[in-house]
Amino acid sequence: NAGVMQNPRHLVRRRGQEARLRCSPMKGHSHVYWYRQLPEEGLKFMVYLQKENIIDESGMPKERFSAEFPKEGPSILRIQQVVRGDSAAYFCASSPDGNQPQHFGDGTRLSIL
Amino acid sequence: KQEVTQIPAALSVPEGENLVLNCSFTDSAIYNLQWFRQDPGKGLTSLLLIQSSQREQTSGRLNASLDKSSGRSTLYIAASQPGDSATYLCAPDNQAGTALIFGKGTTLSVSS
Repeated sequence: NAGVMQNPRHLVRRRGQEARLRCSPMKGHSHVYWYRQLPEEGLKFMVYLQKENIIDESGMPKERFSAEFPKEGPSILRIQQVVRGDSAAYFCASSPDGNQPQHFGDGTRLSIL
Repeated sequence: KQEVTQIPAALSVPEGENLVLNCSFTDSAIYNLQWFRQDPGKGLTSLLLIQSSQREQTSGRLNASLDKSSGRSTLYIAASQPGDSATYLCAPDNQAGTALIFGKGTTLSVSS
């Protein structure tokens, strides 16, 4: 049973470009969470999604960031017009329901030149 | 707003020692609390989940306790090994299925 799969593992973008981060949850998991870990800081919640629905996006910056979890396919975190401050590790987690542990992927490390 | 503090920030011990990692949180109205370990450059591995109705959970050499009223959780590691070297993170949530709130972690180094 594969774990949470995130790709790419490393992503380099120049300022102003778009970054797309993908997350395939564990089989049978319909809840997906995105977190961001800035250098020297703890993980911060960004957004919580279930299939085709955004449940909580209170941690998502209001501009340039969006997330989706379509009926088919992986969850996507999209960052438009990236800036240096977006450089971080982005982690995705999934769970089958709210009472079960969240299982994390290995993250995508985004570097902005 | 929930805030999570982990003490100490870093800990170095010789192999074989028993140790305790501390976690405190400001809002005692939590639903679950998870302990994770994070290895450098890797994701998080879930170690233990304690539901709010529970007082402790055990897995192998690990034991986590929860005192909701005082806003504290501890992770006890028995007979530490070099392979236990990692950053340990504590994360409560305030409602089933919601975001986890993380502390900055305790970085543990176990020397052989």
